[in-house]
Amino acid sequence: KQEVTQIPAALSVPEGENLVLNCSFTDSAIYNLQWFRQDPGKGLTSLLLIQSSQREQTSGRLNASLDKSSGRSTLYIAASQPGDSATYLCAVRTGNQFYFGTGTSLTVIP
Amino acid sequence: DAGITQSPRHKVTETGTPVTLRCHQTENHRYMYWYRQDPGHGLRLIHYSYGVKDTDKGEVSDGYSVSRSKTEDFLLTLESATSSQTSVYFCAISELGQGRLDEQYFGPGTRLTVT
Repeated sequence: KQEVTQIPAALSVPEGENLVLNCSFTDSAIYNLQWFRQDPGKGLTSLLLIQSSQREQTSGRLNASLDKSSGRSTLYIAASQPGDSATYLCAVRTGNQFYFGTGTSLTVIP
Repeated sequence: DAGITQSPRHKVTETGTPVTLRCHQTENHRYMYWYRQDPGHGLRLIHYSYGVKDTDKGEVSDGYSVSRSKTEDFLLTLESATSSQTSVYFCAISELGQGRLDEQYFGPGTRLTVT
């Protein structure tokens, strides 16, 4: 069974810092990996999707990388802003099923 | 935003009563999913569908059933609700192919409380 882990569980940084969130998975036979953002009491918003054949994807201040062989992905957030405060989740697709990590709760302090 | 709605958005019910949650999409995506989200467990897959009348179990399917009679609707039924089924339920959709169609899109969620 695929296991997805996100470390750290919580992170607090001052505004303007660059930061990295980590996601690791146990089974490298994935179809893709997706990063989401979840605000309190809300649904999940897709941030980036990386196909298994890709190494990275970028959207604005966000950059996600994938090292399938080592079972790792990172989400890099540049020049963090208070509006980035949320929980960030990663999910891997294996076959027809998705497996989620428990998330990293990010607080950006003004 | 992907066109996904869930109803009801909030529900309080008593132990032992049947409950049906509805997910409706306007994107014509083939795959639909039901998840539950609980503190400390993250999101866990309950059931999914890969087409009309085609469904399969996820990680935590016990006590739940699903039906999909139309592409746009995916129903989740708790035949006899228990307190352990108190949770936030999310519906999601996706396709299988290349590019952005592979992305999973989520509905706003249904908060279910079983008393």
